[in-house]
Amino acid sequence: GEDVEQSLFLSVREGDSSVINCTYTDSSSTYLYWYKQEPGAGLQLLTYIFSNMDMKQDQRLTVLLNKKDKHLSLRIADTQTGDSAIYFCAESIGSSNTGKLIFGQGTTLQVKP
Amino acid sequence: NAGVTQTPKFRVLKTGQSMTLLCAQDMNHEYMYWYRQDPGMGLRLIHYSVGEGTTAKGEVPDGYNVSRLKKQNFLLGLESAAPSQTSVYFCASGAGENTEAFFGQGTRLTVV
Repeated sequence: GEDVEQSLFLSVREGDSSVINCTYTDSSSTYLYWYKQEPGAGLQLLTYIFSNMDMKQDQRLTVLLNKKDKHLSLRIADTQTGDSAIYFCAESIGSSNTGKLIFGQGTTLQVKP
Repeated sequence: NAGVTQTPKFRVLKTGQSMTLLCAQDMNHEYMYWYRQDPGMGLRLIHYSVGEGTTAKGEVPDGYNVSRLKKQNFLLGLESAAPSQTSVYFCASGAGENTEAFFGQGTRLTVV
């Protein structure tokens, strides 16, 4: 079945760049998403990329998609302490027409001052 | 705007008790979902609905039932709670395929 994998933890210093990686299995996924979860809160959509794109930039966020390797990454430039959270990668289930998403386990980003 | 609202926010149940979690959305979304979040496992889809009156099983449906009698509400029921159902439950809604999913704040359920 479909699967999404992420590393569980990343620690960076304030001002550095953070890169969170994700691999997925469903080659027919049309959209891939990055969600952010702050402590005690629900998930909030950060950004997304359509499968026919290689890169998308949105202010401090850069998403890279390597469709051949089924690899997605999220780069956060100039990481701030407010960026500390859990980041989830998610893929849409290709042709199901249900809006279902498969989520990775989440990567906890710790930003040290 | 309220967005997606879940009630209750916290609950402790004894094994064998039943309860219903309510999800309400005010965005006129067709699609609604119930996920559970467990440490190291991300979010797993329990049940979902693509419209009023319809429901379907997700990845981990056993022990749960759902109903979508009204478009704005999606109810998740536990008929006989088990400790394995201790989790944080998230409801989400979306306008359709390949659109943003909006999440509620979560319900932390403990079964003792």
